[in-house]
Amino acid sequence: DAGITQSPRHKVTETGTPVTLRCHQTENHRYMYWYRQDPGHGLRLIHYSYGVKDTDKGEVSDGYSVSRSKTEDFLLTLESATSSQTSVYFCAMGREVSTEAFFGQGTRLTVV
Amino acid sequence: EDQVTQSPEALRLQEGESSSLNCSYTVSGLRGLFWYRQDPGKGPEFLFTLYSAGEEKEKERLKATLTKKESFLHITAPKPEDSATYLCAVQETSGSRLTFGEGTQLTVNP
Repeated sequence: DAGITQSPRHKVTETGTPVTLRCHQTENHRYMYWYRQDPGHGLRLIHYSYGVKDTDKGEVSDGYSVSRSKTEDFLLTLESATSSQTSVYFCAMGREVSTEAFFGQGTRLTVV
Repeated sequence: EDQVTQSPEALRLQEGESSSLNCSYTVSGLRGLFWYRQDPGKGPEFLFTLYSAGEEKEKERLKATLTKKESFLHITAPKPEDSATYLCAVQETSGSRLTFGEGTQLTVNP
């Protein structure tokens, strides 16, 4: 009963290449989020969306862009991957801004 | 700026040994405090939301409480399957993002 899935689950890419991570939800939730999780920093918000074509920056948005053309899909793009973007990326969804967020299984990205 | 501090960083218990995890927070105005459980290699799993001081929520062996400055996650008679990292997050009234603590890694030995 995942409700939210991320792809790919693992990716290795080279410095300087663009990378797109995909998040797909089947719950028709309005809010979607992209977080990264790193040792010593916990989960930090990259970007979020509050509706189709409505997005905003989080606390660590530099070097990332997002798009949401359909309610169910939220894409995260690393425009030119750097080693500092090696991390585990989590997508999450929420019905409303004040309700709990449900997370995907994560994508482990390694930039070499 | 919102701040969330969780303690201890790691906690090792024997099966049946009850304890509490702490989440101290600083926000200009609290919209909600959230507890999650995270198993290795998986995404955080939602446990509780608390909205106001004095509120309590329970689920099986877990009980979450909230004051104006901190939240506690009480674990009663834990089992090995309760082993996980427990994350606390706050959301302020003026924003939509969650600010997470770094978590408490709980290990319950049989």
